[in-house]
Amino acid sequence: AQSVTQLDSQVPVFEEAPVELRCNYSSSVSVYLFWYVQYPNQGLQLLLKYLSGSTLVKGINGFEAEFNKSQTSFHLRKPSVHISDTAEYFCAVSDGITGSARQLTFGSGTQLTVLP
Amino acid sequence: DADVTQTPRNRITKTGKRIMLECSQTKGHDRMYWYRQDPGLGLQLIYYSFDVKDINKGEISDGYSVSRQAQAKFSLSLESAIPNQTALYFCATSDQNEQFFGPGTRLTVL
Repeated sequence: AQSVTQLDSQVPVFEEAPVELRCNYSSSVSVYLFWYVQYPNQGLQLLLKYLSGSTLVKGINGFEAEFNKSQTSFHLRKPSVHISDTAEYFCAVSDGITGSARQLTFGSGTQLTVLP
Repeated sequence: DADVTQTPRNRITKTGKRIMLECSQTKGHDRMYWYRQDPGLGLQLIYYSFDVKDINKGEISDGYSVSRQAQAKFSLSLESAIPNQTALYFCATSDQNEQFFGPGTRLTVL
């Protein structure tokens, strides 16, 4: 079984500053990794995913994440945030046995608040 | 039109009442899911279905039941609602590489 830990429940940051949202996972098998974003009063939307290949993954809205197998991490970064990035961000993992998106285990979420 | 729709979007009910939340999708996916979201807990899987004849319990299925009426429809029922089932409920579908979420149903049990 796998698990996901999002180390920060709340991250306040000023507009145009860089941000990193941390995600660590545990799994005994190979994994697929995802970041989803939830804007207020909306469902979850995929930001980016790592399935295989390059460990640096680029997603929508200028976000990127790096898969680090030795650190079992998949941290999300953006070099310059905007007010519109204020949302809750969820890291999720799926094991490589049952298929990439068949069953996801979610972290508890990180609320990113961008301040003017 | 949205690919994954949920009805109702908001519902307030009383303890002991039976409630059904409905989900429809136009993505043509076989796999569908019901999640519950509570503040600080992320999303927890209630039930999932990989096709019309395949229904599986998730990590928190107690107090819930589901029905897969067709490939496009997956309903969640609370037979006798209780206050700790107050939460935001999401339906999702998936292809091989991604899960797609509906807008959510906010359920309050008084």
